[in-house]
Amino acid sequence: QQQVKQSPQSLIVQKGGISIINCAYENTAFDYFPWYQQFPGKGPALLIAIRPDVSEKKEGRFTISFNKSAKQFSLHIMDSQPGDSATYFCAASKDSSNTGKLIFGQGTTLQVKP
Amino acid sequence: DAGITQSPRHKVTETGTPVTLRCHQTENHRYMYWYRQDPGHGLRLIHYSYGVKDTDKGEVSDGYSVSRSKTEDFLLTLESATSSQTSVYFCAISELGGPNTEAFFGQGTRLTVV
Repeated sequence: QQQVKQSPQSLIVQKGGISIINCAYENTAFDYFPWYQQFPGKGPALLIAIRPDVSEKKEGRFTISFNKSAKQFSLHIMDSQPGDSATYFCAASKDSSNTGKLIFGQGTTLQVKP
Repeated sequence: DAGITQSPRHKVTETGTPVTLRCHQTENHRYMYWYRQDPGHGLRLIHYSYGVKDTDKGEVSDGYSVSRSKTEDFLLTLESATSSQTSVYFCAISELGGPNTEAFFGQGTRLTVV
């Protein structure tokens, strides 16, 4: 059972365009939603994260939008650059567990064309 | 980069043989995790540790065991390797293990079981 569902599986965007990746979760106890970025041959690295008490968080060109009632959250990459080409994972975890265990989505491979 | 070293980085082994992967950290973080990454599944938690000799199962723990005899080392053992365990394995660390705590990932170990 996939507790966090991510789409699309792959995405091609032109340089300067907006990349949008969506995630949906099932467990209403989740209360921490990070996005990780992974380049080939490397481990994932935290990109940006949000808690459900806010509907949006922005860091530079990266924005998370969060819809608690719909149990959905999304990553928006504005002015996408070729250097943003990577695999992106959404994830979720529960505060009550206090273990830092992450449930990941399936991943989205983003290609930004020059 | 967080001080995480995984070894070996690549390994090919035969079905039925035991295999041990090592994760070594220099950050003195309390929590350590083993994830496996497979296409279409994202990353899935195998086992995690919340202190020396304190470990617990993740969502895909069957066929795996772990040990943590020192803060800095977390070992993952495949008791009898099977082809379904061919994967890329990532070690991660975090300080508090609670929400909003960044998990730092190693570079990964690519394991092939033939």
